[in-house]
Amino acid sequence: AQKITQTQPGMFVQEKEAVTLDCTYDTSDPSYGLFWYKQPSSGEMIFLIYQGSYDQQNATEGRYSLNFQKARKSANLVISASQLGDSAMYFCAAEGSWGKFQFGAGTQVVVTP
Amino acid sequence: GAVVSQHPSRVICKSGTSVKIECRSLDFQATTMFWYRQFPKQSLMLMATSNEGSKATYEQGVEKDKFLINHASLTLSTLTVTSAHPEDSSFYICSASKGQVGTEAFFGQGTRLTVV
Repeated sequence: AQKITQTQPGMFVQEKEAVTLDCTYDTSDPSYGLFWYKQPSSGEMIFLIYQGSYDQQNATEGRYSLNFQKARKSANLVISASQLGDSAMYFCAAEGSWGKFQFGAGTQVVVTP
Repeated sequence: GAVVSQHPSRVICKSGTSVKIECRSLDFQATTMFWYRQFPKQSLMLMATSNEGSKATYEQGVEKDKFLINHASLTLSTLTVTSAHPEDSSFYICSASKGQVGTEAFFGQGTRLTVV
């Protein structure tokens, strides 16, 4: 079983600034995948970024980067140059058995002008 | 990217009636799909794993007779909320994976169920 912890229920960030969303995980699986999803108010789940446990480098996808610290079991998401459209709920998730995800509690991000 | 379509997006039903939600993988075959439930401002909680051609696997605390899951084909899974009550009102969302480790799960648009 896996457990995902997101300790920040909500964050305000000013437009064009960077923001870091915390995520720690607990798993006994030797190999695992960590994901970040964005959920705007419409409810859809938008895939942002993926980090494999054996990946040597931190994942990056455009303005999103993942600060993966395996020894600390953390996988923080960094959003650079925040935009108003980044306002949403952000979920960290771990993939267990094939396709089965365990989600953290989420962090509500509000980007202000 | 792969698309998962969920229908309906919103439904309002009377207490005591049943509601069926469909989840379709449009451009890939999904032998396994997943159903989640999400209360307002909370996380997604896995309800069950839908297996094509066999019985669904339910998470602890989820009533299988309340939430009927059918996965009759490689592209369609349905969730039926039987004898719905106001406490069943929630956001239900399905997902499917292409089956490769480390690949993203593709989510449907979600269904907002309101039981009155």
